[in-house]
Amino acid sequence: QQQVKQSPQSLIVQKGGIPIINCAYENTAFDYFPWYQQFPGKGPALLIAIRPDVSEKKEGRFTISFNKSAKQFSLHIMDSQPGDSATYFCAVGAGSYQLTFGKGTKLSVIP
Amino acid sequence: DTGVSQNPRHKITKRGQNVTFRCDPISEHNRLYWYRQTLGQGPEFLTYFQNEAQLEKSRLLSDRFSAERPKGSFSTLEIQRTEQGDSAMYLCASSLTGAGNTEAFFGQGTRLTVV
Repeated sequence: QQQVKQSPQSLIVQKGGIPIINCAYENTAFDYFPWYQQFPGKGPALLIAIRPDVSEKKEGRFTISFNKSAKQFSLHIMDSQPGDSATYFCAVGAGSYQLTFGKGTKLSVIP
Repeated sequence: DTGVSQNPRHKITKRGQNVTFRCDPISEHNRLYWYRQTLGQGPEFLTYFQNEAQLEKSRLLSDRFSAERPKGSFSTLEIQRTEQGDSAMYLCASSLTGAGNTEAFFGQGTRLTVV
């Protein structure tokens, strides 16, 4: 059973648009919800993370929205730029433990 | 450079050979993780260490795989009798345990190609 479901699989937006990537999870024991950005040939880089005691967290142009009752969280990228073109992964974790990743969303921001 | 370092970056090996990868975590981090990532997929957990103790291993980690972290600093991942299905990116990550310290930082990975 897939513990975290990520959608969409791919996304194309115009520069300045606001791409939104969604993740849903099953296990209510998860208490850590990070998003990672990965460029081809590179390791994933931590973008932003949230804990279930808050419903929203913003860092720069990146915002996580968290809905505990629905067991869903999403990443919004404000004023997207071509340099944001990458694959984005959501993940879930319990404490400082192993992370379970979604399958990724390939984002293309066109000028 | 204070990030997670992995060596080699690329490895091509013949089926049946043994390979070993090295990971140097961020210096003060006591937790070290190994993940495997195949093309078009997210990273999948393999195993993790807290200091020198290996605390969990995934079912993905067959008997041909072994990981060590002998002094609680760097770690090695060895694959014996490699198979074509082992071709993947092997990622190492590290984190620091403690209140609020859960961020895992990844290295650049070692891309293994088994021919």
